[in-house]
Amino acid sequence: AQSVTQLGSHVSVSEGALVLLRCNYSSSVPPYLFWYVQYPNQGLQLLLKYTSAATLVKGINGFEAEFKKSETSFHLTKPSAHMSDAAEYFCAVTDYSSASKIIFGSGTRLSIRP
Amino acid sequence: NAGVTQTPKFRVLKTGQSMTLLCAQDMNHEYMYWYRQDPGMGLRLIHYSVGEGTTAKGEVPDGYNVSRLKKQNFLLGLESAAPSQTSVYFCASSPVRQGIQFFGPGTRLTVL
Repeated sequence: AQSVTQLGSHVSVSEGALVLLRCNYSSSVPPYLFWYVQYPNQGLQLLLKYTSAATLVKGINGFEAEFKKSETSFHLTKPSAHMSDAAEYFCAVTDYSSASKIIFGSGTRLSIRP
Repeated sequence: NAGVTQTPKFRVLKTGQSMTLLCAQDMNHEYMYWYRQDPGMGLRLIHYSVGEGTTAKGEVPDGYNVSRLKKQNFLLGLESAAPSQTSVYFCASSPVRQGIQFFGPGTRLTVL
């Protein structure tokens, strides 16, 4: 079964600094990959989705992620952090045992220092 | 267009009580999901449905039941609540397989 590992349950960066949130997946076949964001007391919303069309995927709010098959990674980046980026971020992958399901990582909480 | 709505937003139960959480979507999506979110564990799938009248077990189905009598509604039931079911519950819907999931705002449930 597929699994998703997010390295670092909490990441703190200064405003204006680079944001890098790490995600590795386990699969022999390139799956569909997602990044979702959850703001406090809200549901999750989609940041971006990888569907094999391009290895660099651009999402909302200036975020992007690069799919690297050789490293089974799908790290999320943003060149310059903003205070409004403080949230929890979830990496997710399609479950190929049942294509209707998505498997979520445990999440990374991003804090932004003024 | 309200998207995905969940009722209630908060609930406190005593051990052994029962309750039903309602999820409704107005986007005509085929697929619907119930997750629970616990600190440090991400989202875990409880049950899901691939269409009206269908349901299937997810990763953590024990202690929960579901029904999808109407396409737009997906109900999650707890027959005899336990403190281990204290969690935040999210409903989601998706128009297609492997599609993007749209989430509701969540229900915070506490079982004493």
